[in-house]
Amino acid sequence: AQSVAQPEDQVNVAEGNPLTVKCTYSVSGNPYLFWYVQYPNRGLQFLLKYITGDNLVKGSYGFEAEFNKSQTSFHLKKPSALVSDSALYFCAVRDDFDADKLIFGTGTRLQVFP
Amino acid sequence: DSGVTQTPKHLITATGQRVTLRCSPRSGDLSVYWYQQSLDQGLQFLIHYYNGEERAKGNILERFSAQQFPDLHSELNLSSLELGDSALYFCASSPSDGRELFFGEGSRLTVL
Repeated sequence: AQSVAQPEDQVNVAEGNPLTVKCTYSVSGNPYLFWYVQYPNRGLQFLLKYITGDNLVKGSYGFEAEFNKSQTSFHLKKPSALVSDSALYFCAVRDDFDADKLIFGTGTRLQVFP
Repeated sequence: DSGVTQTPKHLITATGQRVTLRCSPRSGDLSVYWYQQSLDQGLQFLIHYYNGEERAKGNILERFSAQQFPDLHSELNLSSLELGDSALYFCASSPSDGRELFFGEGSRLTVL
């Protein structure tokens, strides 16, 4: 069965500094990987995905993520954080061996300080 | 706006009662997923329907059931409600397996 781990409950970063939100996964087959963001009292919004191809994936709002197969990781990054990036971020994985489920991590709260 | 519509947005009910949550997917999307988000358990996958057929079940209690109708809207039925069922229930739709999901704004259920 597929699983995903987000080891940090919260990440704090100063505005203008680079940010990283970590995600590791476990699948039986090949992974389909996703990042979502959730603002207070809202649904989840899609940021980016890795299906195949380049290991560095670019997404919305200046975010990018790097797929690392050997480390089974898919960390979310942004070169320069904004206060408005403060939100709850979820990593999710779908296993192509069991493609009918999309499993989410527990979420990481990103706090960007002015 | 994701194009996924969930009703009601808020629902307050008592223990032992039954409620129905409704989801209208994006136009053309055949897949509907249901998730439960509670404070202590994150986002839990409940069930996935594709074009009217159940495709996968997650951590869905026997007191809960769902279905997807011919017009592709879906309903999640929660019965014999307990205090611990209080949560945000999200519906998401997707045009096909492997593609990203588009989430509704959620239905917040409070069981008193």
